[in-house]
Amino acid sequence: DAKTTQPPSMDCAEGRAANLPCNHSTISGNEYVYWYRQIHSQGPQYIIHGLKNNETNEMASLIITEDRKSSTLILPHATLRETAVYYCIATQKTSYDKVIFGPGTSLSVIP
Amino acid sequence: EAGVVQSPRYKIIEKKQPVAFWCNPISGHNTLYWYLQNLGQGPELLIRYENEEAVDDSQLPKDRFSAERLKGVDSTLKIQPAELGDSAVYLCASSLQGESTEAFFGQGTRLTVV
Repeated sequence: DAKTTQPPSMDCAEGRAANLPCNHSTISGNEYVYWYRQIHSQGPQYIIHGLKNNETNEMASLIITEDRKSSTLILPHATLRETAVYYCIATQKTSYDKVIFGPGTSLSVIP
Repeated sequence: EAGVVQSPRYKIIEKKQPVAFWCNPISGHNTLYWYLQNLGQGPELLIRYENEEAVDDSQLPKDRFSAERLKGVDSTLKIQPAELGDSAVYLCASSLQGESTEAFFGQGTRLTVV
């Protein structure tokens, strides 16, 4: 699976949009981009995934560049409860065993 | 719907003692994963099961770690004997094979070896 790189930390004001970048320049054509987050003392939680097109659900939006080498997770109106570590991973749908979770981005939502 | 259930939530043991963790995946999920997570790092896969078969255990330290998934449902992960360096959070996750789109994680077991 493709390796991903993310900034180690970010801050965001409460109520503002949080834009979390992820670089996956070696992603292959059949690999999806997945985002998970991990709130302190809990297990990771799935947020969203995409292949080529931009995706939106009740939690976030995912913007994938046309060349698929990078993506951005958008939390439209960040809340304090969304302070967490956010992981971006690239994997084929059925091969979580090959997933490499990096250290992720620690997002702090500030009042 | 109940999520992935792990127990115990916390465990403190002395080094050289054995310890076991238990995981009950989401009903119907045939794929089960055990991960290890050290402080400040992302989860690292230890073993993956498809039903009752371990299909990827290459990262499992087999000299002291063992796992089983009887009847393809619940799973246990054991360490014997535990070492100081085994202190970490042990996460269990499950997913549906095939059109699986996400893995569901339990809250984890925080192990402290003293």
